[in-house]
Amino acid sequence: AQSVTQLGSHVSVSEGALVLLRCNYSSSVPPYLFWYVQYPNQGLQLLLKYTTGATLVKGINGFEAEFKKSETSFHLTKPSAHMSDAAEYFCAVSDGDNDYKLSFGAGTTVTVRA
Amino acid sequence: EAGVAQSPRYKIIEKRQSVAFWCNPISGHATLYWYQQILGQGPKLLIQFQNNGVVDDSQLPKDRFSAERLKGVDSTLKIQPAKLEDSAVYLCASSLTDRGSYEQYFGPGTRLTVT
Repeated sequence: AQSVTQLGSHVSVSEGALVLLRCNYSSSVPPYLFWYVQYPNQGLQLLLKYTTGATLVKGINGFEAEFKKSETSFHLTKPSAHMSDAAEYFCAVSDGDNDYKLSFGAGTTVTVRA
Repeated sequence: EAGVAQSPRYKIIEKRQSVAFWCNPISGHATLYWYQQILGQGPKLLIQFQNNGVVDDSQLPKDRFSAERLKGVDSTLKIQPAKLEDSAVYLCASSLTDRGSYEQYFGPGTRLTVT
């Protein structure tokens, strides 16, 4: 069974600063990894995903994440935070095509200071 | 294309009452999911449908929760009777198939408050 740990339930950054959200996973098989964003009173929106191939994945809104198998990590970064990045971010994992089910982390709330 | 639609958006009921949520997935999506998101937690899968058949309901509290997907399109999730701990956001999602690499598209959710 897979699981996800997101380090830090709240992150506060200044506008223009680096955004770094940490995600570690456990999976018995090569995983598929996802980052979702949730704005207030809205559903989840996919930012990016890793399935196979290149370990550095680029997503929407300037976000990217790197799959590091040796560290079982899939950290999300954005070089320069914008006020519109204030939201809740969820990391999720599935056991590839063996198991479609997504297991989500508890989420990290990002606030952006002007 | 239209997204996943859910209604109602908000619902307040008293414990022991019943409630139903409705979901209309993206057209052509064979797979439909219901998630429960308790405040401060990530979404937890309750049930998954492939067309109109249940694929996984292992985490659905079957003594009080039920769900159906008639004709493989719309779906309803029902709680009867509700408990205080059922207060949560109920999210519906759909995807083209149940392959793990396919994106799940989420609706805006129904926020349920049980008093």
